[in-house]
Amino acid sequence: DAKTTQPPSMDCAEGRAANLPCNHSTISGNEYVYWYRQIHSQGPQYIIHGLKNNETNEMASLIITEDRKSSTLILPHATLRDTAVYYCIVRAPAGSNSGYALNFGKGTSLLVTP
Amino acid sequence: DAGVIQSPRHEVTEMGQEVTLRCKPISGHNSLFWYRQTMMRGLELLIYFNNNVPIDDSGMPEDRFSAKMPNASFSTLKIQPSEPRDSAVYFCASTVFGAKAFFGQGTRLTVV
Repeated sequence: DAKTTQPPSMDCAEGRAANLPCNHSTISGNEYVYWYRQIHSQGPQYIIHGLKNNETNEMASLIITEDRKSSTLILPHATLRDTAVYYCIVRAPAGSNSGYALNFGKGTSLLVTP
Repeated sequence: DAGVIQSPRHEVTEMGQEVTLRCKPISGHNSLFWYRQTMMRGLELLIYFNNNVPIDDSGMPEDRFSAKMPNASFSTLKIQPSEPRDSAVYFCASTVFGAKAFFGQGTRLTVV
């Protein structure tokens, strides 16, 4: 699986949009970009994933650049409960020989402040 | 659905003792993953199963660690003998083949 690079930490004011970047310059054409987060002492939680198109769900939006070498997770209106470590993961598709296990890096620690 | 269920939530044991961690995946899921998390090393994938068959155990640190999945609704991770450096939070996750993974609440293991 391709590796990802994320800033170690970010701050965001409550109510503002949080934009979390991720670089994955060695991503393969069939690999997906996944985002998970981990709130303190809990198991990781799925947020969103995409292949090449931008995606949006009730939690966040995912913007993937046209060359697919980077992406941005957007939390449109951050709340204090969004304080967590956010992981960007590149994952092989189901059925690939390399498997599709999630390999977590160090992630970005997002602190949402009042 | 109750989600992925792990037991126990907390375990304190003495060095040299056998420890067994348990996981019940979400019904209908056919892939199961075991992770270990420490401050120093972050989240590490230990092993994963597809349809109860171990696919990749390259993350298992040494022979003291073993994992089994006797059926689709149960998996165990065993450490024998345990050592203080095994102290960590152990997570189990399950997924339908290729879809998003759901994680349990973890087992916090302390070996003294």
